[in-house]
Amino acid sequence: DGGITQSPKYLFRKEGQNVTLSCEQNLNHDAMYWYRQDPGQGLRLIYYSQIVNDFQKGDIAEGYSVSREKKESFPLTVTSAQKNPTAFYLCASRGGQGKTYNSPLHFGNGTRLTVT
Amino acid sequence: QKEVEQDPGPLSVPEGAIVSLNCTYSNSAFQYFMWYRQYSRKGPELLMYTYSSGNKEDGRFTAQVDKSSKYISLFIRDSQPSDSATYLCAMSARMYSGGGADGLTFGKGTHLIIQP
Repeated sequence: DGGITQSPKYLFRKEGQNVTLSCEQNLNHDAMYWYRQDPGQGLRLIYYSQIVNDFQKGDIAEGYSVSREKKESFPLTVTSAQKNPTAFYLCASRGGQGKTYNSPLHFGNGTRLTVT
Repeated sequence: QKEVEQDPGPLSVPEGAIVSLNCTYSNSAFQYFMWYRQYSRKGPELLMYTYSSGNKEDGRFTAQVDKSSKYISLFIRDSQPSDSATYLCAMSARMYSGGGADGLTFGKGTHLIIQP
């Protein structure tokens, strides 16, 4: 079945450590996205990529980094510079190319990151 | 004024009742409207996707868009305990016009509880 796989489901890290969250999709989608979800704050866009080897900052990119070396994969690194990294992270993808604002997002099941 | 307003709830109704979930928005350029359902610790899943004004029905779910009032609704008939979840509205313009870098603007979600 086609879909988006995020791993791991739960992740625990000590403060000061970088951590990488995995996102893989087999939907043959060009565009991929990372969102952060906090209680009462809704979804906030961290980074997005509309094509391989290209990505753009979203609304809250500080303290995060991404890469897009393959169409299927869009890993997110939460660096030690991120002041409040504990959150639920969601990866999403969408078909089409360029500014395809009219097609719906498909989401993975998220990674819950806890930093202590 | 926020671009998309959604009452966070919780909204608690008895099993079998008709549920009405709503979002209001301010950007008249929005043309595409989506409803996502999100269970606890899961990613959002697309429920309904509509364009412009009017109604769209899918099983027990009806999405309604009133562009003149900048108001969208999701109705759930014969509600079941399995409908208990958070419901997110999302919307985008035909051409990029405000919203996040991906062209989508999300509401913060309404937490719905169906009491058996």
